[in-house]
This record gives sequence, C-alpha cells and structure tokens, in this order.
Amino acid sequence: SYELTQPPSVSVSPGQTASITCSGDNLGDKYTCWYQQKPGQSPVLLIYQDTKRPSGIPERFSGSNSGNTATLTISGTQAMDEADYYCQAWDSSTDNYVFGSGTKVTVL
Amino acid sequence: EVQLVESGGGLVQPGGSLRLSCATSGFTFIRHDMHWVRQATGKGLEWVSTIGPAGDPLYAGSVKGRFTVSRENAKNSLYLQMNSLRAGDTAVYYCARGRSALDAFDIWGQGTMVTVSP
Repeated sequence: SYELTQPPSVSVSPGQTASITCSGDNLGDKYTCWYQQKPGQSPVLLIYQDTKRPSGIPERFSGSNSGNTATLTISGTQAMDEADYYCQAWDSSTDNYVFGSGTKVTVL
Repeated sequence: EVQLVESGGGLVQPGGSLRLSCATSGFTFIRHDMHWVRQATGKGLEWVSTIGPAGDPLYAGSVKGRFTVSRENAKNSLYLQMNSLRAGDTAVYYCARGRSALDAFDIWGQGTMVTVSP
C-alpha cells in the first residue's frame, strides 16, 4: 500500500518559517493537499493540487511538490498556527486516498 | 452556508452494527464526491470510504466487506452502514465533501464518535 511519511513534530519561533515535509514514492506525480487540525476541531483544507489555497486561507501558507517530497511552508509563523498538519494524496494504483501520519507544529 | 452534520454515533458492542448519517446543506450535493474519514483518539486521519455522485463506492482495505457507503441525493444525505464492528473501529467519524473528483476534501463536518466496546 502507498504510504506518506511526515516528521512527527516541527518547532518554530514566532515570525520564522516552518517547513513540513511529506514523502512518498513519486509523490511529485500526484496531487498533494494539506490540512490543518487544531485540538478538538475538524480538519481544515489549507492547500490543494500541490500549490493552491482555498478562499480564506492566509497567504503565509504555501505548498510545493516535486520528486518524492511535498512541502508545506508557513511563512511568518504565528502562535495561532500551532496545530497538527496532514498531507494527503490519491493513489490510483489502489484507488485509495492516503493521509500522511501528521506533523505537530509547535510555535515556541 | 455550506454545512455537513454527522449523526448516529454511539456505543456498540463488538460484532454489532451502526449507521452513520451526514446531512448536508448549502451546496449542490449531487455534484460532489462525498467521503468518510475517521480519527482514533490521539491518532491521525484515516480515509474510510468515498462515494461519487452516481453511487460508485470506494473503501479502505480495513473496512471493505464490513462497511457500506450510500447516498440519497434527493435528501442531500450521506450514510455509512458499519457492520461487524471491532474495537479498532473506535474513532471520531467525519464526513467531508470532495472539492472535485479525486481532489481534496474541502468541507468537513464536526464528526460523530463511535465507540466499540463490550
């Protein structure tokens, strides 16, 4: 089965840039999306089709995808960005949606 | 306003059954894939099932043969029939709207808790 691997945790200082990676075989050949989930809340879509932001998502969130790695970048990180982040892709070989293991972002 | 509201969760014994519902409003239901995603306490998101507008279902291997997804387009509603439930099925179950086919899940419900325990 297809797997997406994320680092368990990332720490960042306020105002700095946080990068969260998502790795999978030939992930660059697939569209990747990213979700943010705060404690006790439902996930929120941050990025779809590798780089696109839904309406209402701040510009400080951006995405890229190439080779085997997709990356979510948070520029000028704010305390409110402290949350869990999940990547997701569609695996056509198994007709399954796959989520990454999740990354907890801590703003120190 | 686009809304997804899940219901039907609860406590069930191993081997039992439960039917989840997801009532939707604020968008053209028939145009969208709809999904079920679950999350065990303290764990990550796990895709469970997807159903397209025409009713074509997809399932994760962990639930295939036990869960059945369906939709009633006239009622803008999504369902998940869960049979032969196991302790490992204990989780919050979210319904989510597909942005488009094979695309991201752009709207999520608040979730409903399913607990499988003797």
